[in-house]
Amino acid sequence: KAGVTQTPRYLIKTRGQQVTLSCSPISGHRSVSWYQQTPGQGLQFLFEYFSETQRNKGNFPGRFSGRQFSNSRSEMNVSTLELGDSALYLCASSLGDRGNTIYFGEGSWLTVV
Amino acid sequence: GEDVEQSLFLSVREGDSSVINCTYTDSSSTYLYWYKQEPGAGLQLLTYIFSNMDMKQDQRLTVLLNKKDKHLSLRIADTQTGDSAIYFCAESSGNTPLVFGKGTRLSVIA
Repeated sequence: KAGVTQTPRYLIKTRGQQVTLSCSPISGHRSVSWYQQTPGQGLQFLFEYFSETQRNKGNFPGRFSGRQFSNSRSEMNVSTLELGDSALYLCASSLGDRGNTIYFGEGSWLTVV
Repeated sequence: GEDVEQSLFLSVREGDSSVINCTYTDSSSTYLYWYKQEPGAGLQLLTYIFSNMDMKQDQRLTVLLNKKDKHLSLRIADTQTGDSAIYFCAESSGNTPLVFGKGTRLSVIA
């Protein structure tokens, strides 16, 4: 069965631009979470969507947003990019019930110049 | 808030056992995970343990949980060069996001 698929894998953007990242969860999984990984801050939670509703939200500015579609695919958007947004963005997929195993994709590497 | 601590580096010889330690502060942590990250890659789920368990074994991997001390360890038997990676400990109370440690970089010397 296919794993968690993230696109694009690599991208370079300029300060002030916006970016959209996509995540397709494992078939049958209804929960999608997003995490940001940087060398300085490590892995930080952005938000979680379950059945098209945001269920949890991390401590990130409003420039970071997301959504989930009826087929459980999710997108996250970062507007007005800053140099500090350069990071690996990881998507995680699970069934969504308490304690289910959580699988990650390969991530999207974003560089802001 | 919740916190997960790990030592940053571990170096072992090929064929030896590796033990990676993790401590957490959230007493309501119910699910504890170990992930592996190789260079340029995402997170690979290695194993997980529920808080009502003391130990879990899966091939070369053994997870030990001391709930009283909030201490988790991952033992890798017969460590190979392919095990060189960063290992992350993470905890969740079930309906909360994963909280990760900073990761332990395991170097395997041939």
